[in-house]
Amino acid sequence: AQSVSQHNHHVILSEAASLELGCNYSYGGTVNLFWYVQYPGQHLQLLLKYFSGDPLVKGIKGFEAEFIKSKFSFNLRKPSVQWSDTAEYFCAVGGSYIPTFGRGTSLIVHP
Amino acid sequence: DTGVSQNPRHKITKRGQNVTFRCDPISEHNRLYWYRQTLGQGPEFLTYFQNEAQLEKSRLLSDRFSAERPKGSFSTLEIQRTEQGDSAMYLCASSPPPGLAGAHNEQFFGPGTRLTVL
Repeated sequence: AQSVSQHNHHVILSEAASLELGCNYSYGGTVNLFWYVQYPGQHLQLLLKYFSGDPLVKGIKGFEAEFIKSKFSFNLRKPSVQWSDTAEYFCAVGGSYIPTFGRGTSLIVHP
Repeated sequence: DTGVSQNPRHKITKRGQNVTFRCDPISEHNRLYWYRQTLGQGPEFLTYFQNEAQLEKSRLLSDRFSAERPKGSFSTLEIQRTEQGDSAMYLCASSPPPGLAGAHNEQFFGPGTRLTVL
């Protein structure tokens, strides 16, 4: 069975601060890893994904994530957040056709 | 707009009533998923279709829930004899066939149907 753990449920930052959201997964096979974002009032959308190759993946809006196989982690990072990054962030693991989502992290960025 | 659409966007019903939601996926996507999301939680898998075949169903899904995708295009999710615990956001997502360029099980989500059971 696959599972995902997001350690930070609520994060509050000031603009220009750096961001790192933790994600650990459990899955025995080859994984596809995702970060999804849900802005207030909008639907879930893909931020970035990892399926093979370079473990450092870059997504939209300056986000990046690093796959560390030995740690079963796929942490999301952004060097300088903006007020518009206020949203819910979900990590997901999708080794099979049925992804499993973490419970999400609520990020609030103060201007 | 060629994204995933869901109708209705909001549904308020009384306990014991039946409700049906519709999802129209992106046209070339053969895989379709239903999820339930409650406040403070991530999407919880309910069921999965590949074309018209329902291939997976969550063990958490009670017999009051049924889903169909009769022609491999749109899908419906029906909840019979609704209970207050069914109140949630019901999300639909679709994925392109595996093997297409860029297709690695990423999902495209609709806006959801928010169900309130009184």
